[in-house]
Amino acid sequence: GIQVEQSPPDLILQEGANSTLRCNFSDSVNNLQWFHQNPWGQLINLFYIPSGTKQNGRLSATTVATERYSLLYISSSQTTDSGVYFCAVFSGGYNKLIFGAGTRLAVHP
Amino acid sequence: DAEITQSPRHKITETGRQVTLACHQTWNHNNMFWYRQDLGHGLRLIHYSYGVQDTNKGEVSDGYSVSRSNTEDLPLTLESAASSQTSVYFCASSGDRRATDTQYFGPGTRLTVL
Repeated sequence: GIQVEQSPPDLILQEGANSTLRCNFSDSVNNLQWFHQNPWGQLINLFYIPSGTKQNGRLSATTVATERYSLLYISSSQTTDSGVYFCAVFSGGYNKLIFGAGTRLAVHP
Repeated sequence: DAEITQSPRHKITETGRQVTLACHQTWNHNNMFWYRQDLGHGLRLIHYSYGVQDTNKGEVSDGYSVSRSNTEDLPLTLESAASSQTSVYFCASSGDRRATDTQYFGPGTRLTVL
């Protein structure tokens, strides 16, 4: 089946730093979503981004579907950004959303 | 506001017992999904439904079943709970265009099987 790989697996930042999270996928996909799982376990949708670039405040995402990767940018990180960031892709061939293993981010004051 | 809820939030049961986890959404979404989350595996799809009376197996469906009798609810049943089913379970829903729409997640149910 389709493989979704996220990097890095763990990331530690000082408050105010910028970071880039990467998601690679092994096959063509119909959509791609980024989620944030906060320390309380809640999964929050960040972006629905099958292609192109989107921005929401300090967060932005870019998906290059032809090269099978997506990037999530976090600028001026805050402690509330801590948690796990998941990339998930939907492949029409498999008819389901498939999650990567996540990037665990810790932002220290 | 529309939402998706799960109950119970925490459950402890014994090996061999039948357990049902509830999921209820008020988005009026056709599509509903059950995932389990385990360390080292991320989220894995258990079962999903694209509408009333429709159910489909995901990648880790053994030992689980679902039924969809109305739009709002997709209960997940563990027929005979096993310790390997100790996990956090998430329900999700999405709009009409199958799973290509954004999925919205419930708060999760932490299940412990002793």
